[in-house]
Amino acid sequence: QSVLTQPPSASGTPGQRVTISCSGSSSNIGSNYVYWYQQLPGTAPKLLIYRNNQRPSGVPDRFSGSKSGTSASLAISGLRSEDEADYYCAAWDDSLSGQGVFGGGTKLTVL
Amino acid sequence: QVQLQESGPGLVKPSQTLSLTCTVSGGSISSGGYYWSWIRQHPGKGLEWIGYIYYSGSTYYNPSLKSRVTISVDTSKNQFSLKLSSVTAADTAVYYCARDLAGSYTVWFDPWGQGTLVTVSS
Repeated sequence: QSVLTQPPSASGTPGQRVTISCSGSSSNIGSNYVYWYQQLPGTAPKLLIYRNNQRPSGVPDRFSGSKSGTSASLAISGLRSEDEADYYCAAWDDSLSGQGVFGGGTKLTVL
Repeated sequence: QVQLQESGPGLVKPSQTLSLTCTVSGGSISSGGYYWSWIRQHPGKGLEWIGYIYYSGSTYYNPSLKSRVTISVDTSKNQFSLKLSSVTAADTAVYYCARDLAGSYTVWFDPWGQGTLVTVSS
């Protein structure tokens, strides 16, 4: 069971806007930055969002991140078929002497 | 740009020690400023942070794995390594190495290696 909670699946049609949630606690999301990773089938994860809402160069502005309290969200607008992937949220957790923690992942299907 | 590549045996027997190496190219581990991390992904499952090391040798481990994990660095070869002792089938996973961009107490991983599957079986 993952420390951060994500819905196991999400879906949308091309052009739609979809949102993926990530719920945590005061020891992780509530007090540290949130990061999002995209994992295309058969490949390594790739950084998508850092420090809650920042996009690395090369990541389209269709992807956006937000954080409020102990929850975070990843929004994808103008959904495209190539966005079909697994998405993971991550944060540092200050409990148990500290550790990196991930969400269980959300599989996004583009219908 | 910086690239990472994992290497090591793909099959390890139960109770033995899993050993993997990550070779960094396009940048020097010794330049500092980054932590070098190991992350694993059980088949069909999510990601699990194992730990990281700084070029000086300072380490930080996942508390649930701490008793079995050792991460070391060889700056002369621009490599860092993972050893996981007393493995069981539950340690079967794809193991990734990655650079943590922000230093300690973060999960800002970029880039990642391609990953290597390690199967624990007799």
